Amino acid sequence: GDSVTQMEGPVTLSEEAFLTINCTYTATGYPSLFWYVQYPGEGLQLLLKATKADDKGSNKGFEATYRKETTSFHLEKGSVQVSDSAVYFCALSSFSGSARQLTFGSGTQLTVLP
Amino acid sequence: GAGVSQSPSNKVTEKGKDVELRCDPISGHTALYWYRQSLGQGLEFLIYFQGNSAPDKSGLPSDRFSAERTGGSVSTLTIQRTQQEDSAVYLCASSPPVSSGSSYEQYFGPGTRLTVT
Repeated sequence: GDSVTQMEGPVTLSEEAFLTINCTYTATGYPSLFWYVQYPGEGLQLLLKATKADDKGSNKGFEATYRKETTSFHLEKGSVQVSDSAVYFCALSSFSGSARQLTFGSGTQLTVLP
Repeated sequence: GAGVSQSPSNKVTEKGKDVELRCDPISGHTALYWYRQSLGQGLEFLIYFQGNSAPDKSGLPSDRFSAERTGGSVSTLTIQRTQQEDSAVYLCASSPPVSSGSSYEQYFGPGTRLTVT
């Protein structure tokens, strides 16, 4: 079945450091790929998405490129802020039975220190 | 506009009792999903509703779990005879019709934290 493998956390960075969170996937067909973010005490928020190979999703300074050849969708940000501290989930959307469900990675806890 | 709302935000119940969790999806969204988020298990898909079609229940962990969606809008997830392993955050999500040009992204509510004592 479909699966998402995500970089183990937790990750601790200093403010203005470069961030990479690795994500690779296994899926049949052509899934859409997403990054969701969960801030402390809040629900999941869609951060960015990509629907086909070579698409780049971007939002709030975060970027991720859909790489079909390496089945990857790594999340990057050039300069993190304390407010980026959260849990980040990589996910893919594919059909299972009749449902277009999301399959999530295990999540990566990011802490940014001032 | 209003996002997905869920109630209650927190629920503490005794083992063996039944609980009902409610989800109000975003207006106009035809698909509704329930997920469970628990330590050690990550995020698990539970059930999916699409319009008036029969729900996809393939993710429900046992027959103690059931869900319904009335009038194509509000959904209720019911857990009967709760067990301690049911303790988790239950998340509801909705997504717009495919015809709207969506990319199958889902919009999540804040969740209901269920604690079974």
